[in-house]
Amino acid sequence: QQQVKQSPQSLIVQKGGISIINCAYENTAFDYFPWYQQFPGKGPALLIAIRPDVSEKKEGRFTISFNKSAKQFSLHIMDSQPGDSATYFCAASDSWGKLQFGAGTQVVVTP
Amino acid sequence: EAGVAQSPRYKIIEKRQSVAFWCNPISGHATLYWYQQILGQGPKLLIQFQNNGVVDDSQLPKDRFSAERLKGVDSTLKIQPAKLEDSAVYLCASSLSGLYQETQYFGPGTRLLVL
Repeated sequence: QQQVKQSPQSLIVQKGGISIINCAYENTAFDYFPWYQQFPGKGPALLIAIRPDVSEKKEGRFTISFNKSAKQFSLHIMDSQPGDSATYFCAASDSWGKLQFGAGTQVVVTP
Repeated sequence: EAGVAQSPRYKIIEKRQSVAFWCNPISGHATLYWYQQILGQGPKLLIQFQNNGVVDDSQLPKDRFSAERLKGVDSTLKIQPAKLEDSAVYLCASSLSGLYQETQYFGPGTRLLVL
């Protein structure tokens, strides 16, 4: 049973465009929401994370938006670059710290 | 700072054979995790160690999978006997102390193909 649902499975965006990935969860005990970036042949690496006491967090071109009432959160990649081409995973954890990952979104940024 | 090291990087075996994976976490990291990542899915936690003790192994198929972390540093994950559905990437991760919301650092993974 997947506790974090992620969409879309894949997306193609032109260089300079905006990539948007959405995630939804049901477990209201989740209170930490990280995003991981994974390049082919590499392990996932933490990109950015948010706690539910804030509605938005921005780090460079990456922004997380969080809607606690809807139990949804999203990643926005602004001014997408070819180097951003990777698979992105949302995740969630409760106070026990066990991460539940979404299925992943493969992002391709075309030149 | 050296990252999480894993070996081998690739392994092909036939079903019913056994296989072992090795992980060396970041120096000083007390917490070590093993994840299974099936193609097209996110990583799923198999087992979590705090030093050399098991914190969570609720999703480890204990009839065929085993893991140990002797001396609280390196760890090995073993599958015996392997099934076709064990084909996946096995990721090792570590964190400094396993505290809530602490960053987990992942290794490159071992890609296993069971024929």
